[in-house]
Amino acid sequence: NAGVTQTPKFQVLKTGQSMTLQCAQDMNHEYMSWYRQDPGMGLRLIHYSVGAGITDQGEVPNGYNVSRSTTEDFPLRLLSAAPSQTSVYFCASRTITRRNGYTFGSGTRLTVV
Amino acid sequence: AQRVTQPEKLLSVFKGAPVELKCNYSYSGSPELFWYVQYSRQRLQLLLRHISRESIKGFTADLNKGETSFHLKKPFAQEEDSAMYYCALMGNEKLTFGTGTRLTIIP
Repeated sequence: NAGVTQTPKFQVLKTGQSMTLQCAQDMNHEYMSWYRQDPGMGLRLIHYSVGAGITDQGEVPNGYNVSRSTTEDFPLRLLSAAPSQTSVYFCASRTITRRNGYTFGSGTRLTVV
Repeated sequence: AQRVTQPEKLLSVFKGAPVELKCNYSYSGSPELFWYVQYSRQRLQLLLRHISRESIKGFTADLNKGETSFHLKKPFAQEEDSAMYYCALMGNEKLTFGTGTRLTIIP
């Protein structure tokens, strides 16, 4: 049981490049979310999903796309990277039963130059 | 809209002294509140959830609906408590975080 797995751990992109951050969970969790963590701003919700085929926007969705074709995977796509997207990205998942809270991945540190 | 406020960005406490990390929230419904901890460059870990009313690593937190607060407390700080602490609110299927408090325990 690996929990929530994120790849890559580190990435450097040039402005305008696109890429996909991968997130997979093996706990059969229905809910999955993507957050970005920036100094002094805490964690802000980018997109979330309540099940396969269902996604919705969070607080800061602009410049990001998601899809949820399977229960296990929830990739985050950067369409055209900008320096403002330099951040640490965390994926998280949970069951419908809220009481256990979210389980987080180890994060992807992204730098856009 | 739901909001979580952690008024202290930084908090330094001597080893053995009591710790209190403040958290206030705004939410129109019945909230579910959590504390998460992040040790240096690691993933976030769930520390406490208000529903369970448990004590983890000596920390406790009580939900005060009248004051809309969920402060985290520990009677005697230990050096290994140094970390980033986030208060979070679950509402409308979304988990909203505060900006976090960096706790440093002074030996």
